[in-house]
Amino acid sequence: DVKVTQSSRYLVKRTGEKVFLECVQDMDHENMFWYRQDPGLGLRLIYFSYDVKMKEKGDIPEGYSVSREKKERFSLILESASTNQTSMYLCASSFLGLNYNEQFFGPGTRLTVL
Amino acid sequence: KNEVEQSPQNLTAQEGEFITINCSYSVGISALHWLQQHPGGGIVSLFMLSSGKKKHGRLIATINIQEKHSSLHITASHPRDSAVYICAVISFQKLVFGTGTRLLVSP
Repeated sequence: DVKVTQSSRYLVKRTGEKVFLECVQDMDHENMFWYRQDPGLGLRLIYFSYDVKMKEKGDIPEGYSVSREKKERFSLILESASTNQTSMYLCASSFLGLNYNEQFFGPGTRLTVL
Repeated sequence: KNEVEQSPQNLTAQEGEFITINCSYSVGISALHWLQQHPGGGIVSLFMLSSGKKKHGRLIATINIQEKHSSLHITASHPRDSAVYICAVISFQKLVFGTGTRLLVSP
């Protein structure tokens, strides 16, 4: 079974703090994704990576950065957290291919920024 | 207007009822996902389909490419089916998500 794990299920941070969200997958997937999920808006892609040290902006990258130093790990960084970044954050991974490959999701991290 | 629209947004049912959730989309797609999200957040894939119909247990998914519409049916619903059901289309190798349908099945 594919396993995608995220470092925390719940996180509470203060405005201005630097926040790290970690995601690890154990299926040797090339692609990894970070989404945020907000009521009424669905999931929106923040960043994705198709290889170590490679990253691509998604639909809403502002206020976020990412790091992929190892194939199995993809980190989402909030350099200076703000209250509008309070959300559910979901990581996913998939194989790389010419066609779409099914994405497998982690359990999510619910982040509250006070 | 969202590229992927789901209806209804919220649905309550009694155990045993037949349930239908609808998904309409406005973009070109190569396939469509139905996903399930339980309280707590984790998302699992139920179906990925590009034509016709797929069945898994009590779940049935259909898609009509010409009409840009898909439905997810749950037969003999059970309280453990209570979850958010999300439609996501695969467009140019990216997932575009609907906002989800929250289903509550009461005993």
